[in-house]
Amino acid sequence: IAGITQAPTSQILAAGRRMTLRCTQDMRHNAMYWYRQDLGLGLRLIHYSNTAGTTGKGEVPDGYSVSRANTDDFPLTLASAVPSQTSVYFCASSPTSNNEQFFGPGTRLTVL
Amino acid sequence: GQNIDQPTEMTATEGAIVQINCTYQTSGFNGLFWYQQHAGEAPTFLSYNVLDGLEEKGRFSSFLSRSKGYSYLLLKELQMKDSASYLCAVRDKDYQLIWGAGTKLIIKP
Repeated sequence: IAGITQAPTSQILAAGRRMTLRCTQDMRHNAMYWYRQDLGLGLRLIHYSNTAGTTGKGEVPDGYSVSRANTDDFPLTLASAVPSQTSVYFCASSPTSNNEQFFGPGTRLTVL
Repeated sequence: GQNIDQPTEMTATEGAIVQINCTYQTSGFNGLFWYQQHAGEAPTFLSYNVLDGLEEKGRFSSFLSRSKGYSYLLLKELQMKDSASYLCAVRDKDYQLIWGAGTKLIIKP
């Protein structure tokens, strides 16, 4: 692994299903973030984690949950997907919350 | 509320210079970032300003005026590969990034 990876690359999901988006980084960064990017809007923060074992809510957290059991992994779970969660999801990390963020390649999610 | 404004789209000619503006109103200020995002790809970091003035990095420069809530990204000697979206983001009092919607830059030969 080099940098930050996300899986899956893309997914089509039926409404009401549960889905976990995976994010892993090997840079030993303390801070990690989940964003969604929708056409015509800026990146919007869903959840973040400043260090392993802690998480916080961003601008649009409803319908999403995260965990940070270790430094490397930061999965995002949609408990019961809805069509408005159709988006491109980016995971990012930074050495600390003071530094620039490095982004994963993104997951394109479609909820039907 | 918090707000970041950038032009939606700009067009420029290969070899020319283009300036992309960004104005912001945020709860606190702890730095301003510019990112580049090619279509279908992830954003990548370009520059960071926390003090007033100009930061130069090769063909790209970024300027900040905190009193005016204003920044610009200057791209010189434009190349076709510079066709991308340019995202302005401000770090607020809680050290979270607030993002503009991005400026799509189209480079014509």
